Amino acid sequence: SQQGEEDPQALSIQEGENATMNCSYKTSINNLQWYRQNSGRGLVHLILIRSNEREKHSGRLRVTLDTSKKSSSLLITASRAADTASYFCATDAGGATNKLIFGTGTLLAVQP
Amino acid sequence: GAGVSQSPRYKVAKRGQDVALRCDPISGHVSLFWYQQALGQGPEFLTYFQNEAQLDKSGLPSDRFFAERPEGSVSTLKIQRTQQEDSAVYLCASSSDSLSYNEQFFGPGTRLTVL
Repeated sequence: SQQGEEDPQALSIQEGENATMNCSYKTSINNLQWYRQNSGRGLVHLILIRSNEREKHSGRLRVTLDTSKKSSSLLITASRAADTASYFCATDAGGATNKLIFGTGTLLAVQP
Repeated sequence: GAGVSQSPRYKVAKRGQDVALRCDPISGHVSLFWYQQALGQGPEFLTYFQNEAQLDKSGLPSDRFFAERPEGSVSTLKIQRTQQEDSAVYLCASSSDSLSYNEQFFGPGTRLTVL
């Protein structure tokens, strides 16, 4: 079963606007990651935030993590049509395998 | 190679057929993962290899699913007597280091359709 719940399930914005996606998870984590999946393509790793970090930036991406609320958010600033994709948060399950537990995903559509 | 590759990209099987899905990880990557992604859902973990050792197969949904990585490189996921509920995209991922977390690099997936 999937650990993460993401909202919104779908988001449609205009180019240039910011997009915010939220993720909640259920158990303690070592780190949380965000992935992007375009239609017909595999998952692409965007950013990783460790459990002792609260905020991280990478280019137009900003991720926050609140371990007390077991939640994270991904902000994409100045969106582009090429950002249209599904976005997933994923948490590690701990232990020896480093397997990822994915959320349900947010489908982002950026209108040109 | 430059990335994780999977073959075939698309597979249509009749219910009851056996299928084999191949994954070529990034050269030298120790860890290899298989995930199953149903339509409209996030990927779900199936199994994990560290080199040739299958250390976690807790996500395999039934004993019809079998995975191997005999030489610690290429991996094959086999599904016996396929059922319609097996229809999904099967994703393979590899990472370089089993001792601490490293980014997982995903292949394009194999879309399996069982009729």
